[in-house]
Amino acid sequence: GESVGLHLPTLSVQEGDNSIINCAYSNSASDYFIWYKQESGKGPQFIIDIRSNMDKRQGQRVTVLLNKTVKHLSLQIAATQPGDSAVYFCADGNKLTFGTGTQLKVEL
Amino acid sequence: DSGVTQTPKHLITATGQRVTLRCSPRSGDLSVYWYQQSLDQGLQFLIQYYNGEERAKGNILERFSAQQFPDLHSELNLSSLELGDSALYFCASSAGLVPETQYFGPGTRLLVL
Repeated sequence: GESVGLHLPTLSVQEGDNSIINCAYSNSASDYFIWYKQESGKGPQFIIDIRSNMDKRQGQRVTVLLNKTVKHLSLQIAATQPGDSAVYFCADGNKLTFGTGTQLKVEL
Repeated sequence: DSGVTQTPKHLITATGQRVTLRCSPRSGDLSVYWYQQSLDQGLQFLIQYYNGEERAKGNILERFSAQQFPDLHSELNLSSLELGDSALYFCASSAGLVPETQYFGPGTRLLVL
């Protein structure tokens, strides 16, 4: 069925490095995507979203890239900090389907 | 703090029982969404209410039902509970009808023994 998914269950980066978390989706008609961050014991928190009429969107220290040709999106976190340690989900914003999540671990 | 509140935080019950989870959306938000998060299934959308009316259904079992009241708070009722219903249940709210930025509550952790 239609889904979104994440490439890696775990990503470890050094503090200060850039992080890239990837996500693939299967429905070519999907036109709205959201990235969420979920810290241990908390609910998901909205990070950034992107619509299909854009290839790139930037927020504070985060950038989302959307490649509709290969149905792939990525979340880039600049200068990763210990507070960025969490599970990151991509979601189809219309169908409300979520990927399985990537655990980002920031090493000091 | 997202502004979305959920009660209770934890719930332990037995198989076959019925429980009610409660959610209060952010002030001014008209849509409420319910999600189930389990280790093997990830985050699954269950149902959406907008201004008191059901608007979208996801993977919600027939044993589960929800409603949104005139004051916009919502309740998720889970009945004939099974061991597999043990999970985190999240409520989220958004301002409008269409899917957009959702604010999640802290969740209710349900354990069915």
